[in-house]
Amino acid sequence: GDSVTQMEGPVTLSEEAFLTINCTYTATGYPSLFWYVQYPGEGLQLLLKATKADDKGSNKGFEATYRKETTSFHLEKGSVQVSDSAVYFCALSGADLAGGTSYGKLTFGQGTILTVHP
Amino acid sequence: DGGITQSPKYLFRKEGQNVTLSCEQNLNHDAMYWYRQDPGQGLRLIYYSQIVNDFQKGDIAEGYSVSREKKESFPLTVTSAQKNPTAFYLCASSFRTGTYEQYFGPGTRLTVT
Repeated sequence: GDSVTQMEGPVTLSEEAFLTINCTYTATGYPSLFWYVQYPGEGLQLLLKATKADDKGSNKGFEATYRKETTSFHLEKGSVQVSDSAVYFCALSGADLAGGTSYGKLTFGQGTILTVHP
Repeated sequence: DGGITQSPKYLFRKEGQNVTLSCEQNLNHDAMYWYRQDPGQGLRLIYYSQIVNDFQKGDIAEGYSVSREKKESFPLTVTSAQKNPTAFYLCASSFRTGTYEQYFGPGTRLTVT
């Protein structure tokens, strides 16, 4: 079945440092790929997405490129801020057929805790 | 503003009691989902619904029940049969076509003692 593997955390950085959070996936077909962010005590927010190979998703200075040849979707940011401290989840959406209809089940990685110090 | 609301934010119950968590969306999404999140872990799918009056079990449905009588609403009942109900519960919704990105509510933290 589908699976997502994220780099082990937690990750601790100083402000303005470069961030990479690795994400690799296993899926059949051509999934869509997502990064979500969760701030303490809150729900998940969609950070960025990519729907086909070589697409680059970007938002708020974060970027990730859909690499089909390496089955990866690594999250990067050139200069992190204290406000970026959160948990980051990589996810993929496959498509299943159930009873003649389809839906998009999301498969999540285990999450990576990022802490940024001033 | 469109979005997903969950209530209450915090819920406390005694062991042996059933409890219902509310989830409402005004995004005109067809599909809705319930996830459970435990400390330091990812999300696990409890139930999902693609259309009104239809729902399917996810990966950890035992001890939970749902209903989908309206497009906007997808309440989750945590029954006394759920062995470890204390957790953070997240509701989400999405369209049934396209890239399937899900939008999440703020969550309900349930504590059972």
